[in-house]
Amino acid sequence: DQQVKQNSPSLSVQEGRISILNCDYTNSMFDYFLWYKKYPAEGPTFLISISSIKDKNEDGRFTVFLNKSAKHLSLHIVPSQPGDSAVYFCAAPRKGGGSQGNLIFGKGTKLSVKP
Amino acid sequence: KAGVTQTPRYLIKTRGQQVTLSCSPISGHRSVSWYQQTPGQGLQFLFEYFSETQRNKGNFPGRFSGRQFSNSRSEMNVSTLELGDSALYLCASTPGGSSGNEQYFGPGTRLTVT
Repeated sequence: DQQVKQNSPSLSVQEGRISILNCDYTNSMFDYFLWYKKYPAEGPTFLISISSIKDKNEDGRFTVFLNKSAKHLSLHIVPSQPGDSAVYFCAAPRKGGGSQGNLIFGKGTKLSVKP
Repeated sequence: KAGVTQTPRYLIKTRGQQVTLSCSPISGHRSVSWYQQTPGQGLQFLFEYFSETQRNKGNFPGRFSGRQFSNSRSEMNVSTLELGDSALYLCASTPGGSSGNEQYFGPGTRLTVT
Protein backbone atom coordinates (compact mmCIF):
# COMPACT_ATOMS: atom_id res chain seq x y z
CA ASP A 1 0.00 0.00 0.00
CA GLN A 2 1.51 3.28 -1.07
CA GLN A 3 -0.46 6.32 -0.07
CA VAL A 4 0.22 9.87 0.91
CA LYS A 5 -2.54 11.48 2.90
CA GLN A 6 -3.34 15.06 3.69
CA ASN A 7 -6.28 14.93 6.04
CA SER A 8 -6.94 18.66 6.26
CA PRO A 9 -8.49 19.98 3.06
CA SER A 10 -8.10 23.57 4.20
CA LEU A 11 -6.28 25.78 6.68
CA SER A 12 -6.71 29.45 7.48
CA VAL A 13 -4.08 31.50 9.32
CA GLN A 14 -3.39 35.14 10.04
CA GLU A 15 -0.58 36.94 8.26
CA GLY A 16 2.63 36.79 10.26
CA ARG A 17 1.66 33.64 12.15
CA ILE A 18 2.90 30.11 11.57
CA SER A 19 1.22 27.78 9.06
CA ILE A 20 1.59 24.06 9.70
CA LEU A 21 0.55 21.65 6.97
CA ASN A 22 0.51 17.96 7.75
CA CYS A 23 1.02 14.82 5.71
CA ASP A 24 0.94 11.11 6.59
CA TYR A 25 2.17 8.20 4.53
CA THR A 26 1.65 4.46 4.59
CA ASN A 27 4.81 2.93 3.12
CA SER A 28 7.85 2.93 5.38
CA MET A 29 10.00 2.35 2.28
CA PHE A 30 9.40 5.89 1.04
CA ASP A 31 12.81 7.57 1.16
CA TYR A 32 12.15 11.02 -0.22
CA PHE A 33 9.35 13.51 0.21
CA LEU A 34 8.46 16.69 -1.60
CA TRP A 35 6.13 19.62 -1.10
CA TYR A 36 4.57 21.43 -4.01
CA LYS A 37 2.57 24.63 -4.08
CA LYS A 38 -0.15 25.21 -6.64
CA TYR A 39 -1.91 28.44 -7.58
CA PRO A 40 -5.13 28.33 -9.62
CA ALA A 41 -4.59 27.94 -13.36
CA GLU A 42 -0.93 27.04 -12.84
CA GLY A 43 0.95 23.78 -12.50
CA PRO A 44 2.41 22.70 -9.15
CA THR A 45 5.69 24.38 -8.23
CA PHE A 46 8.34 22.54 -6.26
CA LEU A 47 8.80 24.06 -2.82
CA ILE A 48 11.03 21.93 -0.62
CA SER A 49 12.03 18.31 -0.14
CA ILE A 50 13.49 16.04 2.49
CA SER A 51 15.36 12.77 2.38
CA SER A 52 14.46 10.04 4.85
CA ILE A 53 17.99 10.21 6.29
CA LYS A 54 17.15 13.64 7.70
CA ASP A 55 14.49 14.79 10.10
CA LYS A 56 14.49 18.45 9.14
CA ASN A 57 15.17 20.58 6.10
CA GLU A 58 14.96 24.35 6.07
CA ASP A 59 14.78 26.83 3.23
CA GLY A 60 14.08 30.40 4.22
CA ARG A 61 10.58 30.65 5.67
CA PHE A 62 9.85 27.00 4.85
CA THR A 63 10.85 24.06 7.03
CA VAL A 64 9.86 20.44 6.58
CA PHE A 65 9.98 18.03 9.50
CA LEU A 66 9.99 14.25 9.08
CA ASN A 67 8.98 11.80 11.79
CA LYS A 68 9.70 8.35 10.37
CA SER A 69 8.39 6.40 13.33
CA ALA A 70 5.03 8.12 12.99
CA LYS A 71 5.16 8.15 9.17
CA HIS A 72 4.38 11.82 9.33
CA LEU A 73 5.80 14.96 7.87
CA SER A 74 4.86 18.59 8.23
CA LEU A 75 5.58 21.82 6.43
CA HIS A 76 6.01 24.94 8.54
CA ILE A 77 5.78 28.39 7.02
CA VAL A 78 7.00 31.20 9.24
CA PRO A 79 5.94 33.94 8.98
CA SER A 80 2.97 33.32 6.73
CA GLN A 81 2.27 35.86 4.02
CA PRO A 82 -0.86 36.44 1.90
CA GLY A 83 1.11 35.34 -1.18
CA ASP A 84 1.46 31.91 0.42
CA SER A 85 -2.25 31.34 -0.13
CA ALA A 86 -2.35 28.31 -2.43
CA VAL A 87 -2.95 24.57 -2.42
CA TYR A 88 -0.05 22.60 -0.95
CA PHE A 89 0.62 19.03 -2.00
CA CYS A 90 2.77 16.48 -0.25
CA ALA A 91 4.32 13.84 -2.54
CA ALA A 92 6.62 10.83 -2.49
CA PRO A 93 8.21 8.78 -5.28
CA ARG A 94 6.45 5.44 -5.74
CA LYS A 95 8.52 2.38 -4.78
CA GLY A 96 8.71 -0.74 -6.93
CA GLY A 97 6.18 -2.11 -9.41
CA GLY A 98 5.36 -0.88 -12.87
CA SER A 99 5.18 2.72 -11.81
CA GLN A 100 8.44 2.82 -9.91
CA GLY A 101 9.83 6.19 -9.12
CA ASN A 102 7.00 8.49 -10.07
CA LEU A 103 5.22 10.69 -7.63
CA ILE A 104 2.30 9.81 -5.40
CA PHE A 105 0.49 12.93 -4.29
CA GLY A 106 -1.72 13.72 -1.36
CA LYS A 107 -5.01 15.43 -2.16
CA GLY A 108 -3.74 18.81 -1.06
CA THR A 109 -4.42 21.36 1.65
CA LYS A 110 -5.73 24.77 0.67
CA LEU A 111 -3.96 27.42 2.73
CA SER A 112 -5.53 30.85 3.14
CA VAL A 113 -3.41 33.54 4.75
CA LYS A 114 -5.51 36.50 5.84
CA PRO A 115 -4.04 40.01 6.05
CA LYS B 1 15.60 28.57 -19.21
CA ALA B 2 12.04 28.27 -20.49
CA GLY B 3 9.74 26.16 -18.37
CA VAL B 4 7.53 23.26 -19.32
CA THR B 5 4.93 24.29 -21.88
CA GLN B 6 1.66 22.59 -22.64
CA THR B 7 -0.75 23.12 -25.49
CA PRO B 8 -3.56 23.74 -25.74
CA ARG B 9 -4.38 25.29 -22.37
CA TYR B 10 -8.11 24.66 -22.67
CA LEU B 11 -10.07 22.16 -24.69
CA ILE B 12 -13.72 21.20 -24.98
CA LYS B 13 -14.60 17.87 -26.55
CA THR B 14 -17.67 15.69 -26.91
CA ARG B 15 -18.08 12.18 -25.57
CA GLY B 16 -16.70 9.60 -27.96
CA GLN B 17 -14.18 11.93 -29.55
CA GLN B 18 -10.45 11.65 -29.12
CA VAL B 19 -7.96 14.29 -28.03
CA THR B 20 -4.22 14.87 -28.26
CA LEU B 21 -2.36 17.02 -25.76
CA SER B 22 1.18 18.25 -26.21
CA CYS B 23 4.03 18.92 -23.79
CA SER B 24 7.44 20.47 -24.36
CA PRO B 25 9.83 19.79 -21.46
CA ILE B 26 12.54 22.04 -20.12
CA SER B 27 15.50 22.09 -22.49
CA GLY B 28 17.83 19.22 -21.65
CA HIS B 29 15.22 17.26 -19.72
CA ARG B 30 14.71 13.77 -21.11
CA SER B 31 11.97 12.46 -18.85
CA VAL B 32 8.36 13.52 -19.25
CA SER B 33 5.55 12.40 -16.97
CA TRP B 34 1.83 12.97 -17.28
CA TYR B 35 -0.66 13.36 -14.45
CA GLN B 36 -4.41 13.75 -14.27
CA GLN B 37 -5.86 16.07 -11.64
CA THR B 38 -9.52 15.83 -10.66
CA PRO B 39 -11.29 17.24 -7.59
CA GLY B 40 -12.15 13.80 -6.28
CA GLN B 41 -8.95 11.87 -6.97
CA GLY B 42 -6.30 14.54 -6.75
CA LEU B 43 -3.16 14.16 -8.86
CA GLN B 44 -2.76 10.71 -10.37
CA PHE B 45 0.17 9.44 -12.39
CA LEU B 46 -0.60 8.40 -15.97
CA PHE B 47 2.75 7.46 -17.50
CA GLU B 48 6.36 8.47 -17.90
CA TYR B 49 8.51 8.58 -21.01
CA PHE B 50 12.27 8.60 -21.14
CA SER B 51 14.31 8.60 -24.33
CA GLU B 52 11.20 7.88 -26.44
CA THR B 53 10.28 4.80 -24.37
CA GLN B 54 7.49 4.42 -21.85
CA ARG B 55 9.27 3.73 -18.61
CA ASN B 56 6.37 3.67 -16.16
CA LYS B 57 2.62 3.43 -16.38
CA GLY B 58 -0.14 4.18 -13.90
CA ASN B 59 -3.51 2.50 -13.47
CA PHE B 60 -5.44 4.04 -16.33
CA PRO B 61 -7.32 2.25 -19.13
CA GLY B 62 -5.78 1.68 -22.53
CA ARG B 63 -7.72 4.65 -23.92
CA PHE B 64 -4.95 6.75 -22.45
CA SER B 65 -1.74 6.55 -24.41
CA GLY B 66 1.32 8.63 -25.03
CA ARG B 67 4.52 8.94 -26.92
CA GLN B 68 7.76 10.87 -26.86
CA PHE B 69 9.72 12.23 -29.75
CA SER B 70 13.47 12.41 -30.26
CA ASN B 71 13.50 16.04 -29.09
CA SER B 72 11.86 14.89 -25.81
CA ARG B 73 8.54 16.55 -26.62
CA SER B 74 5.66 14.35 -25.60
CA GLU B 75 2.04 13.89 -26.55
CA MET B 76 -0.74 12.08 -24.78
CA ASN B 77 -3.85 10.83 -26.47
CA VAL B 78 -7.21 9.93 -25.02
CA SER B 79 -9.57 8.02 -27.28
CA THR B 80 -13.32 7.50 -26.93
CA LEU B 81 -13.65 10.32 -24.42
CA GLU B 82 -15.92 9.87 -21.41
CA LEU B 83 -17.42 12.53 -19.17
CA GLY B 84 -15.15 11.35 -16.37
CA ASP B 85 -12.10 12.28 -18.42
CA SER B 86 -12.80 15.94 -17.71
CA ALA B 87 -9.76 17.02 -15.75
CA LEU B 88 -6.60 19.08 -15.66
CA TYR B 89 -3.82 17.19 -17.42
CA LEU B 90 -0.38 18.09 -16.18
CA CYS B 91 2.95 17.34 -17.75
CA ALA B 92 6.17 17.34 -15.76
CA SER B 93 9.80 16.98 -16.78
CA THR B 94 12.99 15.95 -15.07
CA PRO B 95 16.55 15.72 -16.34
CA GLY B 96 16.26 11.93 -16.50
CA GLY B 97 18.42 9.24 -15.00
CA SER B 98 16.58 7.94 -11.98
CA SER B 99 12.89 8.58 -12.31
CA GLY B 100 10.73 10.44 -9.86
CA ASN B 101 11.93 12.95 -7.30
CA GLU B 102 11.81 16.63 -8.18
CA GLN B 103 9.67 17.27 -11.21
CA TYR B 104 8.94 20.55 -12.96
CA PHE B 105 5.34 20.99 -14.01
CA GLY B 106 3.71 22.81 -16.86
CA PRO B 107 0.54 24.88 -16.44
CA GLY B 108 -1.70 22.04 -17.59
CA THR B 109 -4.39 21.50 -20.18
CA ARG B 110 -7.94 21.83 -18.90
CA LEU B 111 -10.05 19.26 -20.76
CA THR B 112 -13.82 19.43 -20.58
CA VAL B 113 -15.84 16.57 -22.03
CA THR B 114 -19.52 17.28 -22.70
